[in-house]
Amino acid sequence: DTGVSQDPRHKITKRGQNVTFRCDPISEHNRLYWYRQTLGQGPEFLTYFQNEAQLEKSRLLSDRFSAERPKGSFSTLEIQRTEQGDSAMYLCASSLDRVAETQYFGPGTRLLVL
Amino acid sequence: KNEVEQSPQNLTAQEGEFITINCSYSVGISALHWLQQHPGGGIVSLFMLSSGKKKHGRLIATINIQEKHSSLHITASHPRDSAVYICAGPSTNTDKLIFGTGTRLQVFP
Repeated sequence: DTGVSQDPRHKITKRGQNVTFRCDPISEHNRLYWYRQTLGQGPEFLTYFQNEAQLEKSRLLSDRFSAERPKGSFSTLEIQRTEQGDSAMYLCASSLDRVAETQYFGPGTRLLVL
Repeated sequence: KNEVEQSPQNLTAQEGEFITINCSYSVGISALHWLQQHPGGGIVSLFMLSSGKKKHGRLIATINIQEKHSSLHITASHPRDSAVYICAGPSTNTDKLIFGTGTRLQVFP
């Protein structure tokens, strides 16, 4: 296993379009996290899954955002009707179980909304 | 006030210098993560610790849970250590990580 992977690495879209990102965690990891990072800031928590169950969502995650992990393996993060403020790096991380375990981060998907 | 604060925000050093980055937090954290982020965005987990001290190569991390403070030290710094260093901790009330804003380190030869 080569670690956490994310696809695409870069995405440029026009305002109002929908985008979907994919994260493939390390195979035996039960926990999967999504974070958002804007320029010059630390990452901010968006949501996380324990297997296929979405256990917590940040208030940052408006109703335009939805995340799924249908089979407890890969996850998708969809943003509908993108806005320029959605431009950021979207990071995915996975861990074995609880948050007190080491989290392994993917390379991120950089989104630019024009 | 951020729940997790780091200092300094920016740090420059000459190759070979001893580096210290500090992290203070106001929430109840059961463990603390130190992360390294290079230009281009990739994040690498350096340490996860809940007490005492951990060492990996030239990197040393210490934590005092009672004082809610952690430090990351780099001995014999090298230009390849140039990166943003971020501390983060899981709140005891939730299972999400709370991140500091990072310390940008530049080591010059």
